[in-house]
Amino acid sequence: GNSVTQMEGPVTLSEEAFLTINCTYTATGYPSLFWYVQYPGEGLQLLLKATKADDKGSNKGFEATYRKETTSFHLEKGSVQVSDSAVYFCALRGQGGSEKLVFGKGTKLTVNP
Amino acid sequence: GAVVSQHPSRVICKSGTSVKIECRSLDFQATTMFWYRQFPKQSLMLMATSNEGSKATYEQGVEKDKFLINHASLTLSTLTVTSAHPEDSSFYICSARDAIQETQYFGPGTRLLVL
Repeated sequence: GNSVTQMEGPVTLSEEAFLTINCTYTATGYPSLFWYVQYPGEGLQLLLKATKADDKGSNKGFEATYRKETTSFHLEKGSVQVSDSAVYFCALRGQGGSEKLVFGKGTKLTVNP
Repeated sequence: GAVVSQHPSRVICKSGTSVKIECRSLDFQATTMFWYRQFPKQSLMLMATSNEGSKATYEQGVEKDKFLINHASLTLSTLTVTSAHPEDSSFYICSARDAIQETQYFGPGTRLLVL
């Protein structure tokens, strides 16, 4: 079945540091890939997505590129801020659009001033 | 962006009572809604998928008689935790899929504490 593997946290960075959170997936065909962010005490918010190979999703300075050859969708940001502290979830939805989302376990990011 | 609301945001109840959680899509129609459960420091576990006007599809291991789901309209789904016990204490999150954009939007979650 479909699955998502994310790097385990927690990740602690200083403000303005470079961020990478690795995400790899297992799926048949061409799934859609997502990054969700969960701020403390809140529900999940869609951060960015990519629906086909080589697509790059971007939002709020975060980027992730859909790499079919390496089955990866790593999240990056060039300069993190304290307000980026949250839990980040990588997720996929199988080809066809009607399948359920499969989530990674989440990576907690803490950014210190 | 699209908004999904949940009510209540937090509920405390006595063991043996039932609790109803509402999930509403506020500015779009959602033919499909999902209910998740999130344990501390863990990922979301899909409990069930509900389609408007039909019975919910439950994931393996989820008791359908304990977690009653009703999707009565294109903007409202409810989850009722029946005869709640302390082990049901958790963070319950719903999401709604925008049928046109095929994007899934999440509610803010409901924290349930069963004493």
